[in-house]
Amino acid sequence: AQSVTQLGSHVSVSEGALVLLRCNYSSSVPPYLFWYVQYPNQGLQLLLKYTTGATLVKGINGFEAEFKKSETSFHLTKPSAHMSDAAEYFCAVSEVFGNEKLTFGTGTRLTIIP
Amino acid sequence: EPEVTQTPSHQVTQMGQEVILRCVPISNHLYFYWYRQILGQKVEFLVSFYNNEISEKSEIFDDQFSVERPDGSNFTLKIRSTKLEDSAMYFCASGSSGVNNEQFFGPGTRLTVL
Repeated sequence: AQSVTQLGSHVSVSEGALVLLRCNYSSSVPPYLFWYVQYPNQGLQLLLKYTTGATLVKGINGFEAEFKKSETSFHLTKPSAHMSDAAEYFCAVSEVFGNEKLTFGTGTRLTIIP
Repeated sequence: EPEVTQTPSHQVTQMGQEVILRCVPISNHLYFYWYRQILGQKVEFLVSFYNNEISEKSEIFDDQFSVERPDGSNFTLKIRSTKLEDSAMYFCASGSSGVNNEQFFGPGTRLTVL
């Protein structure tokens, strides 16, 4: 069975500071990993994904994440936070053989301090 | 840009009533999903649908739930007799064939059961 743990239900950073949102996963097979963002009253938007190949994945809005198999982690980072980054962020995992269900973490609400 | 749409955005119903939540997936997608998010909790998988049949369903998806793709464009989730605990945000998602498993989410329907 797959699972995702997101440490920190709420994270606050100052505008311009580094954003680091943590995600650890558990999977019995090589995982596909995803980060989704949810703005207020909107659906889930894909930020980035890891399937195979390069372990450092770049996504939209300047975000990136690194797949570390040895640490079973897929932390999300952004060098410089912007006010528009304030949202809920969800890490998700699925099994490698495509079109499988996504298993989500509990989410991290990111607040940007002006 | 193609997007998944859902109607209604908010549905209020009395306990025991039937509700139908509607989704229009992206037109060339073949895989369809329903997820739900109870307020303050994580997004949970309900059911996946491919080739006019259910591919996988979770424990949540009991006999009170059903899905249908009645006309080749809409994808519906029916709850036969709603319970208070069915109150949640329901998200529809769709994906194209292949192994990259990118799922595109709709904006959600907020279901409130009184």
